Amino acid sequence: DAKTTQPPSMDCAEGRAANLPCNHSTISGNEYVYWYRQIHSQGPQYIIHGLKNNETNEMASLIITEDRKSSTLILPHATLRDTAVYYCIVSTAGNTPLVFGKGTRLSVIA
Amino acid sequence: GAVVSQHPSWVICKSGTSVKIECRSLDFQATTMFWYRQFPKQSLMLMATSNEGSKATYEQGVEKDKFLINHASLTLSTLTVTSAHPEDSSFYICSAPPPFQETQYFGPGTRLLVL
Repeated sequence: DAKTTQPPSMDCAEGRAANLPCNHSTISGNEYVYWYRQIHSQGPQYIIHGLKNNETNEMASLIITEDRKSSTLILPHATLRDTAVYYCIVSTAGNTPLVFGKGTRLSVIA
Repeated sequence: GAVVSQHPSWVICKSGTSVKIECRSLDFQATTMFWYRQFPKQSLMLMATSNEGSKATYEQGVEKDKFLINHASLTLSTLTVTSAHPEDSSFYICSAPPPFQETQYFGPGTRLLVL
C-alpha cells in the first residue's frame, strides 16, 4: 500500500502557483519523497525528489516539513500543459520499485 | 534525465496470441527494471521486478507463466503476455533506475488491446 495521502483533485488558474500537498507521516529516515506526474496515456514523468532539505529545479519546488511528515510540490506558474495526475511517493533510493497511490488530479484552468 | 523507451507503443491482438513488449534503457545500463500495469482510471500496479541475468520476481497475484520476463542484457527487458485474453488489455509501463542515482525513469508505456 502507498504510504502517502493526497487530495484526489485540485484546480488551479493558469499562471498561478499550484501547491500540491502530500502527507507521509510514517516515512522512514532513509526514505526520499518523490514526485511524478502522469499526463493522460503517457508514462509517469519524474519531477523532483528530496530527503530532508527543500529542493528546486526547472520544473518545480519541493518543500518538506522539518519533521518530514508532509511535503508540498509547487509549480510556480501553472500552464494548461501541467494538467495531469501528480503522484507523491516515499521510497528508498536505488533498485526499489515505486508504490503508487491514487495521486492528485490537477486541472489547470484558463 | 535518463531515457527509457518501450516498443511497441500500442498493440492490438487476437485472444489466444502472445505479445512481446520491449523496455530499453537508452543512455544507461540497468541491472534492474520494473514492470507495471495500469487499468483505466486506476493507478500503476507493480507486476514484477526484472533482474539482469537472473529470474524475475513477481508480485502476488501475477502469474509468472503468463507474463514472461526476460532481462537478457543491461539495456533490455522484455515482457511477453502469453495466450492473451481480453482481461489482459491494459497499459503496460516499465521503469529503470540508473546506477548511482536516486531516481528512476519510466518508459512511455505500451497500450495492449486484446480482442
